[in-house]
Amino acid sequence: GQQVMQIPQYQHVQEGEDFTTYCNSSTTLSNIQWYKQRPGGHPVFLIQLVKSGEVKKQKRLTFQFGEAKKNSSLHITATQTTDVGTYFCAGDYGGSQGNLIFGKGTKLSVKP
Amino acid sequence: DTEVTQTPKHLVMGMTNKKSLKCEQHMGHRAMYWYKQKAKKPPELMFVYSYEKLSINESVPSRFSPECPNSSLLNLHLHALQPEDSALYLCASSQGGFYYNEQFFGPGTRLTVL
Repeated sequence: GQQVMQIPQYQHVQEGEDFTTYCNSSTTLSNIQWYKQRPGGHPVFLIQLVKSGEVKKQKRLTFQFGEAKKNSSLHITATQTTDVGTYFCAGDYGGSQGNLIFGKGTKLSVKP
Repeated sequence: DTEVTQTPKHLVMGMTNKKSLKCEQHMGHRAMYWYKQKAKKPPELMFVYSYEKLSINESVPSRFSPECPNSSLLNLHLHALQPEDSALYLCASSQGGFYYNEQFFGPGTRLTVL
């Protein structure tokens, strides 16, 4: 079945260091979404990427969608303690009503 | 109002109990979702309602019964659950229609089955 692979599973960084998480699908995606879940919280939408090769920025966060629409990445520059949480990518393969396939997530911890 | 509300926040039930989880949104969204999330795992889709009709049922056991009374409300009826059903149950909504874009999640109901 359709599956979205996400790595790494965990990332521990020193505050100020950069962080990147990667997602990969074996088949072409219609779009990919990114969510952040703080400890004890619920997933919160960050961004949606739709176009091949798309790059979007939100302050220190940079999101990319691959040319083949099979992979995506989230890069955080100069992490802060407020970035702590689990980052999920969620792939939409289209043709069904909002059925998102979530990656396993990358749990980010930031040491002050 | 960009909020999805869920009640109750916590629920403890025995395997013979019947209980219901409730979800509400007032964003005019026409798609609503139930997810199950176990600890340290991603959300796992259970059901999708589109325009108040069940459009996706991800092979969920019949002890979970969804209901969408109107476009703003979503219920999940629980009966004869098993301890392995203990999890965080998340409700979400999205605009629906042609573009199923960002999903707004509620805070969840943390369910414990004894």
